[in-house]
Amino acid sequence: GAVVSQHPSRVICKSGTSVKIECRSLDFQATTMFWYRQFPKQSLMLMATSNEGSKATYEQGVEKDKFLINHASLTLSTLTVTSAHPEDSSFYICSATGTVQETQYFGPGTRLLVL
Amino acid sequence: DAKTTQPPSMDCAEGRAANLPCNHSTISGNEYVYWYRQIHSQGPQYIIHGLKNNETNEMASLIITEDRKSSTLILPHATLRDTAVYYCIVLNAGGTSYGKLTFGQGTILTVHP
Repeated sequence: GAVVSQHPSRVICKSGTSVKIECRSLDFQATTMFWYRQFPKQSLMLMATSNEGSKATYEQGVEKDKFLINHASLTLSTLTVTSAHPEDSSFYICSATGTVQETQYFGPGTRLLVL
Repeated sequence: DAKTTQPPSMDCAEGRAANLPCNHSTISGNEYVYWYRQIHSQGPQYIIHGLKNNETNEMASLIITEDRKSSTLILPHATLRDTAVYYCIVLNAGGTSYGKLTFGQGTILTVHP
């Protein structure tokens, strides 16, 4: 299957700082990337959908000014958690789908801890 | 997207076949059935998907009933490494919901020695 990477795998930051998470498709071009969040003992929740070269579409209840998404190329999307607070601590996971593929392939996830 | 119903948990002995059921009675004609699994603290892993025909790959087999209202994921020879949460998801292949996966609670499969 296709390979998707995320960086960093784990990050600890102070409250009020911003954190950037990268999502890369390593062996295919991803026209669409998705960002999910997963709290402990819960399922994945879709946060936003990003298409290369256009603005992301956010799910209801997700603040677009807090979770900035950039999808500037066919292999890279970034999620920036601005002014992070302890309640933003979670497991952030991206997925990607290519131009001719419908299957979403997921990254390994980024665990964010805000102190 | 059509909702899916899965048992919350299942057990399987190592080396035996694991059969994970999924009900999707409101599935539409152009909606695919996808299966993913998530091992603890990792991102979901794609397993298999199908529309109406049974499918098989190196990981598993997917059996879809003729009326498409239910399906079964079969892991032919379960190993301890197959212990994970298994998600059955119905995906619309077009329209405004294109590509969106809605994760339910899935089935926690525990493979024991």
